[in-house]
Amino acid sequence: EAQVTQNPRYLITVTGKKLTVTCSQNMNHEYMSWYRQDPGLGLRQIYYSMNVEVTDKGDVPEGYKVSRKEKRNFPLILESPSPNQTSLYFCASSFWGGYNNEQFFGPGTRLTVL
Amino acid sequence: AQKITQTQPGMFVQEKEAVTLDCTYDTSDQSYGLFWYKQPSSGEMIFLIYQGSYDEQNATEGRYSLNFQKARKSANLVISASQLGDSAMYFCAMRGSLSSNTGKLIFGQGTTLQVKP
Repeated sequence: EAQVTQNPRYLITVTGKKLTVTCSQNMNHEYMSWYRQDPGLGLRQIYYSMNVEVTDKGDVPEGYKVSRKEKRNFPLILESPSPNQTSLYFCASSFWGGYNNEQFFGPGTRLTVL
Repeated sequence: AQKITQTQPGMFVQEKEAVTLDCTYDTSDQSYGLFWYKQPSSGEMIFLIYQGSYDEQNATEGRYSLNFQKARKSANLVISASQLGDSAMYFCAMRGSLSSNTGKLIFGQGTTLQVKP
């Protein structure tokens, strides 16, 4: 089944404890992206990757890191999480970064930072 | 700047009736895509339908159709024969041309749809 998977789905952690949210897609997509969704602020892009080894900042990259060593994987790293990073996180992928193809989303990761 | 506006925070519809969710957009790109996503209470983001800026016909996918009026910059979603399972938040989104964009989707604030039995 074609899909984007994320792990963990739910995570409660404490300030400063490094964590990684994994993202994997099995559709051979070149483009991958991370979003966060917050009430009143909607969905905002954190980082994106046009292809392997090519990553760039989105609108809200502060406090996050990413890497794209393989085409299928795009992990999101929080080196020192803070309470303002409590959010619902989505990984998404598409064939390429152009306008004429849909992005498929993972199931989301609900992160709470105490 | 690119922007999506959804002016209906909440909508109600009777089961089996049709409903239209409004979406207007603003962009200076000539090439762009318009998308609708559904987010049920469980939280996942489900792709529903896509319309390209050069497409002359309105997109349809099963019970979903997109009423695309380019001159008015609107891309309304029409759901026919509503079902209880259609109760969810619906997001209109846009993706611009690569030269002016990061490939990101720009989302509206969403419309909560509740289907009444």
